[in-house]
Amino acid sequence: EAGVTQFPSHSVIEKGQTVTLRCDPISGHDNLYWYRRVMGKEIKFLLHFVKESKQDESGMPNNRFLAERTGGTYSTLKVQPAELEDSGVYFCASSPDTGAKNIQYFGAGTRLSVL
Amino acid sequence: DQQVKQNSPSLSVQEGRISILNCDYTNSMFDYFLWYKKYPAEGPTFLISISSIKDKNEDGRFTVFLNKSAKHLSLHIVPSQPGDSAVYFCAASAQIQGAQKLVFGQGTRLTINP
Repeated sequence: EAGVTQFPSHSVIEKGQTVTLRCDPISGHDNLYWYRRVMGKEIKFLLHFVKESKQDESGMPNNRFLAERTGGTYSTLKVQPAELEDSGVYFCASSPDTGAKNIQYFGAGTRLSVL
Repeated sequence: DQQVKQNSPSLSVQEGRISILNCDYTNSMFDYFLWYKKYPAEGPTFLISISSIKDKNEDGRFTVFLNKSAKHLSLHIVPSQPGDSAVYFCAASAQIQGAQKLVFGQGTRLTINP
């Protein structure tokens, strides 16, 4: 069974540019989460989808960040325009709707560098 | 405000000995706790979890202890092996509120010396 996959693994952009990160959750997982780790600090929650609906977006830093999950499968996280402080590692995680739903499975992350 | 804290940024242990990683939390609504292990350039990997209705959960070499009154949990690894060298994150969630987001500590870098 394939795990959570994220693309790209690394992105280097200039301030003011746009970047789109993609996450493919484990097949059949209704819950999809985005997290971010900045400067080696703690991993911080950004938002949570249940299927295609945003369940909780309380962690989104500002309106430069836009997350979508059309069709309830893969998700994209767009940063437009990117700022220096957006640099960090963006993790995606997924969990099933039933059973061991409390356990979240993480992808390898996308390292974003804004210059 | 840091709701989950791992006060030791690093820990060094001799191979074969016990590794004890600690975590404190402040939010009394947290009812589910998890430990994740992270290698460089990889995502966090689930290790072990515990519900607030228990005070201990064991899985092979890994045991998690929960002290609700002290709002403290710990992860014991025994015996420690070189492959255990990684960053360990403590995480918590308030499932009873229907919120599934995880709140993470800052992580503890564990080094197992041969």
